[in-house]
Amino acid sequence: AQRVTQPEKLLSVFKGAPVELKCNYSYSGSPELFWYVQYSRQRLQLLLRHISRESIKGFTADLNKGETSFHLKKPFAQEEDSAMYYCALGDGYGGATNKLIFGTGTLLAVQP
Amino acid sequence: DTAVSQTPKYLVTQMGNDKSIKCEQNLGHDTMYWYKQDSKKFLKIMFSYNNKELIINETVPNRFSPKSPDKAHLNLHINSLELGDSAVYFCASSPDGTQYFGPGTRLLVL
Repeated sequence: AQRVTQPEKLLSVFKGAPVELKCNYSYSGSPELFWYVQYSRQRLQLLLRHISRESIKGFTADLNKGETSFHLKKPFAQEEDSAMYYCALGDGYGGATNKLIFGTGTLLAVQP
Repeated sequence: DTAVSQTPKYLVTQMGNDKSIKCEQNLGHDTMYWYKQDSKKFLKIMFSYNNKELIINETVPNRFSPKSPDKAHLNLHINSLELGDSAVYFCASSPDGTQYFGPGTRLLVL
């Protein structure tokens, strides 16, 4: 069954420290993976999509098919990075049947 | 502004009432979705429409009825509201799998 696991509910780091938000997935086909960010009481915003291989706001994520992981990393955390981060798996290939299966989210708290 | 918009932003109502939430996107996307975010912040898909046709219905109670009058709009009507329906409902649209979310409607059933 398709599943996304984010093992940490809360990750607290100090400003300037490296950040790694873990995401593991279970999917029988070729996965399409995303990271979304939700700042306090705001809409979800796309942070990264694995096929674009971009770096947004200093965050990167690499798809590791062997470990079925798509961990989100940033070398130096900023206070404005504090938010809820969701890893999501696209079920489908961009067609009409594509839905997102979300992990349970990790709340990142960056302390000053 | 090009975006996905939802109305209302907040909705407080009594158990047993019927209410609707509206969603509009001016991004020209063919596919629209409704997601529910519960009190533990867990997000789950409810429905998906492509060009006004229902594509995904994720075992949502039939008290929930989506309606898409055109491909830019996807409304959600909820009959006989229950306490457990209290949540934030997000609309989203997509051109290619990447989904763009609305600001959410915070529903509280008393």
